Amino acid sequence: ETGVTQSPTHLIKTRGQQVTLRCSSQSGHNTVSWYQQALGQGPQFIFQYYREEENGRGNFPPRFSGLQFPNYSSELNVNALELDDSALYLCASSGGGGGAEAFFGQGTRLTVV
Amino acid sequence: QKEVEQDPGPLSVPEGAIVSLNCTYSNSAFQYFMWYRQYSRKGPELLMYTYSSGNKEDGRFTAQVDKSSKYISLFIRDSQPSDSATYLCAMSAVRGNEKLTFGTGTRLTIIP
Repeated sequence: ETGVTQSPTHLIKTRGQQVTLRCSSQSGHNTVSWYQQALGQGPQFIFQYYREEENGRGNFPPRFSGLQFPNYSSELNVNALELDDSALYLCASSGGGGGAEAFFGQGTRLTVV
Repeated sequence: QKEVEQDPGPLSVPEGAIVSLNCTYSNSAFQYFMWYRQYSRKGPELLMYTYSSGNKEDGRFTAQVDKSSKYISLFIRDSQPSDSATYLCAMSAVRGNEKLTFGTGTRLTIIP
């Protein structure tokens, strides 16, 4: 078990709604990355936060946004949900600064109906 | 063409067999190579982490990287039913594990 926790574990939302997912990083880690994993696919990089600043973004539209807090926990917000947003959302924390291993949480399974 | 290609399987082998899992990639900037294991409905668990070309061994697991061929492998010796999972290769061009690019994953079943 890693020290990365995500909440909630599951949720169901209706198309057009907004959702907030949360991640508590492992103690001592200052970098949080978010990934989307569709069924049968590998995780796709959404964005990364390092010391409360966005530090890189994948090919996701602006309705995917995030925050990192002073304690290095993080939120992923998705507006105007679409059916294709249904996926497992994974948070990974690492120490940053290079050479650090990334540890994943158990994920949040989002279903959009 | 995807940056990282991985045979999705499924792959079924008898207990005790040697398992070989592979990925190819096209981005020559990748320098850091990882293998993750993912059980159903769980997050990925880091198995092996390798920088540049070469081999790395950890217990029953051996990771190989051939940057000249843009090809990486994971070998599992004396496979156990508990090794049944999806195995994901991942790569990064930047120092550390940030901004990983994953393969699609290979679903492995070890038959008792």
